[in-house]
Amino acid sequence: DVKVTQSSRYLVKRTGEKVFLECVQDMDHENMFWYRQDPGLGLRLIYFSYDVKMKEKGDIPEGYSVSREKKERFSLILESASTNQTSMYLCASGKYVDSLGNTIYFGEGSWLTVV
Amino acid sequence: KQEVTQIPAALSVPEGENLVLNCSFTDSAIYNLQWFRQDPGKGLTSLLLIQSSQREQTSGRLNASLDKSSGRSTLYIAASQPGDSATYLCAVRADRGSTLGRLYFGRGTQLTVWP
Repeated sequence: DVKVTQSSRYLVKRTGEKVFLECVQDMDHENMFWYRQDPGLGLRLIYFSYDVKMKEKGDIPEGYSVSREKKERFSLILESASTNQTSMYLCASGKYVDSLGNTIYFGEGSWLTVV
Repeated sequence: KQEVTQIPAALSVPEGENLVLNCSFTDSAIYNLQWFRQDPGKGLTSLLLIQSSQREQTSGRLNASLDKSSGRSTLYIAASQPGDSATYLCAVRADRGSTLGRLYFGRGTQLTVWP
């Protein structure tokens, strides 16, 4: 079974802290995604990575950065956490769009509270 | 920009009913469409993937159809059960340009099946 693992399920951080959210997939997927999900707003794309060391901004990249040094790992970084970044963060991965079996798989989510 | 709409936003039905969830999208340049299920506080679980060249996919009591030219998909759930209660999301994957491979989500349909 494909596995997308988000290392932290629940985090509480202080305003101004630097926060790292880690995501690892075990299926050699080229594409990886970071979303945040808030009530009434649905899923919003923060960053998208086509492949190793490649990244594209999504709809709400402000206040976030990402790192993709290895194919299996995609990290989301909150440079200076703020209370409006309290949310559920979801990581996803999938094969390149024209590959066979290009289902997108999601991790279990990381609940981040910034106080 | 691709817009994905899901109707209805919420649905409450008695056990045993057959039901239809609707998804529409504004740009027919999609590579595939995927239906997901999300339980409260959890990540997304893939239910069905329909490639743009396909008309439908079936898995157990679920059947998803795709009419790419009209920008519509439906998810049919037969003989609904309380365990089907969840939020159902559809997502389309872009097939061209700078958005190649990106996923666009609807806001979801929150389904409650009562005994």
